Amino acid sequence: QVHLVESGGGVVQPGTSLRLSCAASGFIFRNYGMYWVRQAPGKGLEWVAVIWHDGGKKYYVDSVEGRFTVSRDNPRNTVYLQMNSLRVEDTAVYYCARWGDYSPNGGVFDSWGQGTLVTVSS
Amino acid sequence: QSALTQPASVSGSPGQSITISCTGTSSDVGGYNYVSWYQQYPDKAPKLMIYDVSHRPSGVSNRFSGSKSGNTASLTISGLQAEDEADYYCNSYTSSTTWVFGGGTRLTVL
Repeated sequence: QVHLVESGGGVVQPGTSLRLSCAASGFIFRNYGMYWVRQAPGKGLEWVAVIWHDGGKKYYVDSVEGRFTVSRDNPRNTVYLQMNSLRVEDTAVYYCARWGDYSPNGGVFDSWGQGTLVTVSS
Repeated sequence: QSALTQPASVSGSPGQSITISCTGTSSDVGGYNYVSWYQQYPDKAPKLMIYDVSHRPSGVSNRFSGSKSGNTASLTISGLQAEDEADYYCNSYTSSTTWVFGGGTRLTVL
């Protein structure tokens, strides 16, 4: 059974950094791309980043490009989101999700973690 | 990377059918058959309901169906049940190798 557990959230000041982790289990992690998706309080879902199964390709939503970096450690079954120069508008629950087998070319978020809350406030 | 357009809310009575639309552009919804739909209950993680426009993952009720015409995708829920009351989000792959969600639709079962 696929299990994704995010950690690393917290309350930080604008301009600071935070690193989120997502520990995966129940599947062969190195074979799957992984996503980060966020949801601001009371708002909708926003796709943030993707990393290919081997870490060879990474893509970001424009609003975090140059500030956030997605990475992975396949032997540790973990994907990370390094968030720098944080802004108030980055406040959200951050979910990691797996790129499911159902749509190998188009991408689909087939399993999700429970999310970790990041609050950026002065 | 503008969000796809969904109605903010829809409602229906038990047993009825409802349809939620999701409008994008030729660079996302209209350009690819890679639209998916997600159901989210309050304070819970989203759940995949439909992928590649019209395919259901194993375990999802056949009361849920998807379709697409041009730049607009649709999710139809037939035989509405109280447990269907939730938020629904569409998502599409885009020509920039990014993904974009719709703004979300709150379904109320009357």
